[in-house]
Amino acid sequence: GDSVTQMEGPVTLSEEAFLTINCTYTATGYPSLFWYVQYPGEGLQLLLKATKADDKGSNKGFEATYRKETTSFHLEKGSVQVSDSAVYFCALFRQGAQKLVFGQGTRLTINP
Amino acid sequence: GAVVSQHPSWVICKSGTSVKIECRSLDFQATTMFWYRQFPKQSLMLMATSNEGSKATYEQGVEKDKFLINHASLTLSTLTVTSAHPEDSSFYICSASDGGNSPLHFGNGTRLTVT
Repeated sequence: GDSVTQMEGPVTLSEEAFLTINCTYTATGYPSLFWYVQYPGEGLQLLLKATKADDKGSNKGFEATYRKETTSFHLEKGSVQVSDSAVYFCALFRQGAQKLVFGQGTRLTINP
Repeated sequence: GAVVSQHPSWVICKSGTSVKIECRSLDFQATTMFWYRQFPKQSLMLMATSNEGSKATYEQGVEKDKFLINHASLTLSTLTVTSAHPEDSSFYICSASDGGNSPLHFGNGTRLTVT
């Protein structure tokens, strides 16, 4: 079945460091891929998305490129801020299944 | 953008009582709503999918008699935790879809504590 695997957390970085959170997926067909962010005590917010191979999603300095050849959708940011501290979830959505499949989440802490 | 409102944001109840959580889509018609459960420091587990006017489809291992889901209109779905027990304490999150290719929109979650 469909699945998403994220790098193990927690991840702790200093402010202005470069961030990469790895995400790989297994799915039939051509799913859409998403990154969601969850701040403490809150629900999920869509961070960015890509709907087909080679698409790049970007928002708030974060980027991720849909790589079909490696079945990956790694999240990157060139210079992180303390306010980026949150849990990040990679997810896929396959139209036929009509539901999101989430990775396990990666907790990110940015120290000043 | 699309907004999903979830209420209450937190609730404390005694063991054996029932609790109802509401999920509303505020500016679009949600043909499908999803209910998730999240344990501390873990990912979201899909509990059930509901389509307006029909019975919910529950994921394997989720007790449908314990977690009652009603999707009576295109803007409202409710999750009722019946005869709650401390092990039901969790963070419950709903999401809604207008049926298109747009990403699912999430509520802010409800933290349930059963004492």
